[in-house]
Amino acid sequence: ETGVTQSPTHLIKTRGQQVTLRCSSQSGHNTVSWYQQALGQGPQFIFQYYREEENGRGNFPPRFSGLQFPNYSSELNVNALELDDSALYLCASSFKAQGNTIYFGEGSWLTVV
Amino acid sequence: RKEVEQDPGPFNVPEGATVAFNCTYSNSASQSFFWYRQDCRKEPKLLMSVYSSGNEDGRFTAQLNRASQYISLLIRDSKLSDSATYLCVVSKVGSSNTGKLIFGQGTTLQVKP
Repeated sequence: ETGVTQSPTHLIKTRGQQVTLRCSSQSGHNTVSWYQQALGQGPQFIFQYYREEENGRGNFPPRFSGLQFPNYSSELNVNALELDDSALYLCASSFKAQGNTIYFGEGSWLTVV
Repeated sequence: RKEVEQDPGPFNVPEGATVAFNCTYSNSASQSFFWYRQDCRKEPKLLMSVYSSGNEDGRFTAQLNRASQYISLLIRDSKLSDSATYLCVVSKVGSSNTGKLIFGQGTTLQVKP
């Protein structure tokens, strides 16, 4: 519906492992933001990428890292997974010149055991 | 203190009731304000933006009080389909902040027949 697709939709990892989540932004959108939503909480801003460069970061440790590719798709990587990393990870795309109209993907559910 | 605070509820109301949600934000530099709706295990979706003059969209009315740093959402004639979590969201204006949204915890509404 929003044109933002995320993969995988669900995954289970073991503590200490690494995970890569992927996001394809809506056509024409040059900005991608990632959010973490723990159960019962609102989404928390992780970081944003604009034209392949990090453009702002929330209060997350360096083991959370990302990439944006020339086609504006993006990856979120989390190293040394902890149990508290279990959450819904949301990708949102926008076009920088259009203010705050952003479009969320359906998210990736990560469970760390 | 959280930057955006909401009463998590849940609010349990009968069909046809009027229900009001409140939200406060701590950063006076916040410039843009929104209400998002999130259905269970789905991504957040924009319900409406909130303007200082107040704005209405059908059964939904949003108000902003900048002096008190307070945002509200009123839902009239509640429908079963209104059952969801309502997220209060703020952001700083400026293209460099596009997509960097600060979410409240969310308020859960359950409308019963």
